[in-house]
Amino acid sequence: DQQVKQNSPSLSVQEGRISILNCDYTNSMFDYFLWYKKYPAEGPTFLISISSIKDKNEDGRFTVFLNKSAKHLSLHIVPSQPGDSAVYFCAASLNNAGNMLTFGGGTRLMVKP
Amino acid sequence: DTAVSQTPKYLVTQMGNDKSIKCEQNLGHDTMYWYKQDSKKFLKIMFSYNNKELIINETVPNRFSPKSPDKAHLNLHINSLELGDSAVYFCASSPLGEWTEAFFGQGTRLTVV
Repeated sequence: DQQVKQNSPSLSVQEGRISILNCDYTNSMFDYFLWYKKYPAEGPTFLISISSIKDKNEDGRFTVFLNKSAKHLSLHIVPSQPGDSAVYFCAASLNNAGNMLTFGGGTRLMVKP
Repeated sequence: DTAVSQTPKYLVTQMGNDKSIKCEQNLGHDTMYWYKQDSKKFLKIMFSYNNKELIINETVPNRFSPKSPDKAHLNLHINSLELGDSAVYFCASSPLGEWTEAFFGQGTRLTVV
């Protein structure tokens, strides 16, 4: 029973264009959402987050949007760069549950030069 | 200067053995975690631990146990290893408080033969 889902296992984008990665969740009690980036043979690296009281958070080329009514969040990367090629994991947490993260299955992003 | 480090990076062992994976963080964080990434690449929480509380994911077999000699360390002990325990195990840490992100180690690939 996956509470966090990333329905696109892979995404291919041309360098310079926008990458949009999507994530859906089912547990309405989640109050904090994060995106992690993962390269092979490395641990996940924190990218950007958003709390449930906001609907947008921006950090440089990365923007996360949260639509609570739809239980949907997305990560926008613009412009995309070849170094962005990695697996991106969406994660969610409950503040009263030790900040343990529930992860989606990941989306492999390939940015072509 | 690695923030969260795990040893060993690779571990190959026979069924039935008992093994440990070590984790250390130098971030001064209060909470540490163990996650498991299975063959389908899903990342799942196993344990969350701070000096006051241990939270165990109910799906984790009791052959797995976390041991914390001090605030900077959370080791994972696994008894009577089974083939299905083969996975990549990630240690992570985060500060106490609301809406904090976790920092991950590089992972330990465990192979049970």
